[in-house]
Amino acid sequence: AQKITQTQPGMFVQEKEAVTLDCTYDTSDPSYGLFWYKQPSSGEMIFLIYQGSYDQQNATEGRYSLNFQKARKSANLVISASQLGDSAMYFCAMREGWGGGADGLTFGKGTHLIIQP
Amino acid sequence: DTGVSQDPRHKITKRGQNVTFRCDPISEHNRLYWYRQTLGQGPEFLTYFQNEAQLEKSRLLSDRFSAERPKGSFSTLEIQRTEQGDSAMYLCASSQETGADTQYFGPGTRLTVL
Repeated sequence: AQKITQTQPGMFVQEKEAVTLDCTYDTSDPSYGLFWYKQPSSGEMIFLIYQGSYDQQNATEGRYSLNFQKARKSANLVISASQLGDSAMYFCAMREGWGGGADGLTFGKGTHLIIQP
Repeated sequence: DTGVSQDPRHKITKRGQNVTFRCDPISEHNRLYWYRQTLGQGPEFLTYFQNEAQLEKSRLLSDRFSAERPKGSFSTLEIQRTEQGDSAMYLCASSQETGADTQYFGPGTRLTVL
């Protein structure tokens, strides 16, 4: 089974609308972290937002917020007031475990977001 | 504060040749990661260093791949006897062993094996 599932290969959204990018995850580890990254056509992975499994509140960073529903194992990214510059690939990623034994991130296949004027 | 840097940005090589990539992490970060990303996929974890110690290696890291971080600062990733299937973007990331331990990525090295 895939550990990170992003079910939307591509999305078209009108500028200034809000966008929700879906992400579900699978882990039996009680300690984990969830990350969202943006990858423009230039290729660099840009960190957007982080949610820890024990965090009580949903994470927010400027126009980005993470809708964390632990029981459903979902961590959807919400972008408010989308801009043309938001057009990019968006990846959801998970790190299982915590502390001493660091783990590589497991990524989903990504969602290609295109903002239309 | 400069970000993660990688060199070269692009590499074209012939099958069977050896290639080496370099990654310079964010200066205060003690953890360094290598990932590989093929077209249309998310990055896949290859290996991880804490300071100079290589602590984890993915099954994706075949015997032809070797990574070093000799002084706990920059790292190199070498691929010996390259194959066409090695063509990919190789991404380096670094993190600090505190808080969320967020990984920050470099611009990547795009390898094309002819």
